[in-house]
Amino acid sequence: QSALTQPPSASGSPGQSVTISCTGTSSDVGGYDYVSWYQQHPGKAPKLMIYEVTKRPSGVPDRFSGSKSGNTASLTVSGLQAEDEADYYCNSYAGSNNWVFGGGTKLTVL
Amino acid sequence: EVQLVESGGGLVQPGGSLRLSCAASGFTFSSSSMHWVRQAPGKGLVWVSRIYSDGSDTRYADSVKGRFTIYRDNAKNTLYLQMNSLRAEDTAVYYCTRGISYGFDIWGQGTMVTVSS
Repeated sequence: QSALTQPPSASGSPGQSVTISCTGTSSDVGGYDYVSWYQQHPGKAPKLMIYEVTKRPSGVPDRFSGSKSGNTASLTVSGLQAEDEADYYCNSYAGSNNWVFGGGTKLTVL
Repeated sequence: EVQLVESGGGLVQPGGSLRLSCAASGFTFSSSSMHWVRQAPGKGLVWVSRIYSDGSDTRYADSVKGRFTIYRDNAKNTLYLQMNSLRAEDTAVYYCTRGISYGFDIWGQGTMVTVSS
């Protein structure tokens, strides 16, 4: 199972919006509404930010939103804040009890 | 407090074995499917294995199939990963995480496994 494709980096100024893409295939992202997104600060464990494409767990700010079109899912961070600077990973269920992550995107707040 | 705490990592020679543990607290462990996810130094996250809440079904990434075994003791609220025939490419931080809606909502702090001679 190949990793999902994410841009290695993204950036934006405080208050701006930034969107991170996650491209897979019809066997994973395009085939299931089971895309999730994780935020990881250096040296820390990942944190669930979005699940089932668009749902936010309790406690995650509504500045974070998810969407999907075809084989590509996206995470949008609105109103960028300094603490949003982190690595972001997408994940998709890939059928047959397999899960696949993206390679990760380093988000820099300028 | 909802918590997962991994232990058991360390330095092991190629071909060796190691058993990781993950102690759960603050949620109903026996009702939760559980996963292991790893992250090589400076690299991304990789899904490793999953076990159903009652231990009746297990799945593995192709890269570890036949070498790793996931199991659990619901009476002890503990998840395990038995790793045999370890290779240099297994070097990583190993996280245990709870599965929900085909995602992962609770994560441990991770335990480092280094395979080197």
